[in-house]
Amino acid sequence: QSALTQPASVSGSPGQSITISCTGTSSDVGGYNHVSWHQHHPGKAPKLMIYEVIDRPSGVPDRFFGSKSGNTASLTISGLQAEDEAVYFCSSYTSSATYVFGTGTKVTVV
Amino acid sequence: QVQLQESGPGLVKPSGTLSLTCDVSGASISSDYWWSWVRQPPGKGLEWIGETHHSGTTNYHPSLRSRVTMSFDKSKNQFSLRLTSVTAADTAVYFCARGSDYRWHDWGQGALVTVSS
Repeated sequence: QSALTQPASVSGSPGQSITISCTGTSSDVGGYNHVSWHQHHPGKAPKLMIYEVIDRPSGVPDRFFGSKSGNTASLTISGLQAEDEAVYFCSSYTSSATYVFGTGTKVTVV
Repeated sequence: QVQLQESGPGLVKPSGTLSLTCDVSGASISSDYWWSWVRQPPGKGLEWIGETHHSGTTNYHPSLRSRVTMSFDKSKNQFSLRLTSVTAADTAVYFCARGSDYRWHDWGQGALVTVSS
């Protein structure tokens, strides 16, 4: 099972919107809605931001928006803030009854 | 608030056994969740190792199944990972996590384990 493909880095200015893609196959992202997104500040515990493609856990701002089209899931962060600077990774359930993660995207607020 | 904390030796010799423990606070490991291990080799992406449920059910990644064991110590509210016959390729930051419904709600901060002689 190959890792899901994410861009290595995405940057944006405060207040702007950015979108991070997560591309897999029909055996993972395309085949299930069990796609999650996590925010990770290195050295700290990852934080769940989006689950089941579009759902937000309580406490996660509605600036974070998830979507999916075919084999590609996306995370959009609108109204970018300095505190959003982190590594974001996606994950998906797979047809092998396992989980696969994305390669990770470093978001920089410039 | 649920908190998880990994602990264990930071250095393991090649062909040896990697053992890590995840201490859980704020939730009982006997509750209806899946308790997972995930790792991240240096400079690489995350890899799911497997998950275990207090009922005794375990699911391991096929590539690691022959070397992995996950277990519970209910008296200490912790769960453990054991990985045998380690090589340098097993060097990674190891995370424990609490999950259900195909997502992970809480994670530990991770523990670096280096395989080296």
